[in-house]
Amino acid sequence: GAVVSQHPSWVICKSGTSVKIECRSLDFQATTMFWYRQFPKQSLMLMATSNEGSKATYEQGVEKDKFLINHASLTLSTLTVTSAHPEDSSFYICSARVSGHTTETQYFGPGTRLLVL
Amino acid sequence: LAKTTQPISMDSYEGQEVNITCSHNNIATNDYITWYQQFPSQGPRFIIQGYKTKVTNEVASLFIPADRKSSTLSLPRVSLSDTAVYYCLVVPGGAGNNRKLIWGLGTSLAVNP
Repeated sequence: GAVVSQHPSWVICKSGTSVKIECRSLDFQATTMFWYRQFPKQSLMLMATSNEGSKATYEQGVEKDKFLINHASLTLSTLTVTSAHPEDSSFYICSARVSGHTTETQYFGPGTRLLVL
Repeated sequence: LAKTTQPISMDSYEGQEVNITCSHNNIATNDYITWYQQFPSQGPRFIIQGYKTKVTNEVASLFIPADRKSSTLSLPRVSLSDTAVYYCLVVPGGAGNNRKLIWGLGTSLAVNP
């Protein structure tokens, strides 16, 4: 249980184009999903919290107009990197939160490697 | 959220038991301890979660002393495929909370033949 998928697994694009990444919870519903970015040899950095049916909450320093997040259903959140530039090249990972009786657990997708040329 | 401290790297050999200790001196009463494993170019994988004493599953054991200021992830009889980065996180208790997870650099475990 608690499987999260991401698509695509990797993408190469030209500078200035937009890229959409999908995050799906396959066997459960997730009202809250998270988007992270990870650079080589570094830890995960939270970019934004995606809530189903409402606007995403962005972390300080993350441009909401550049990283568009849509969480239109309980099983799908999308991250669109608009007008991508080489500095946006990174490993993007989503997670979905499962709330239990006592605490919560985040389950992660396999990640999407973005390379902007 | 409580900050965690763990060794940057560890080395082991196949078949050995590996224990990775994490310090979380400022853990709150309702917080849980969670461990993730991450392979290169993959998303983190949930390993185990616990509140106190000992938790065991098919993959690992988690030991938490009474003061809960530290925890130890125990991997029995590691193999080469256990080479990965292991993250210790403190997760807020209670449903519906919106506190964020703080990820450190984790412990890079290298299992040698």
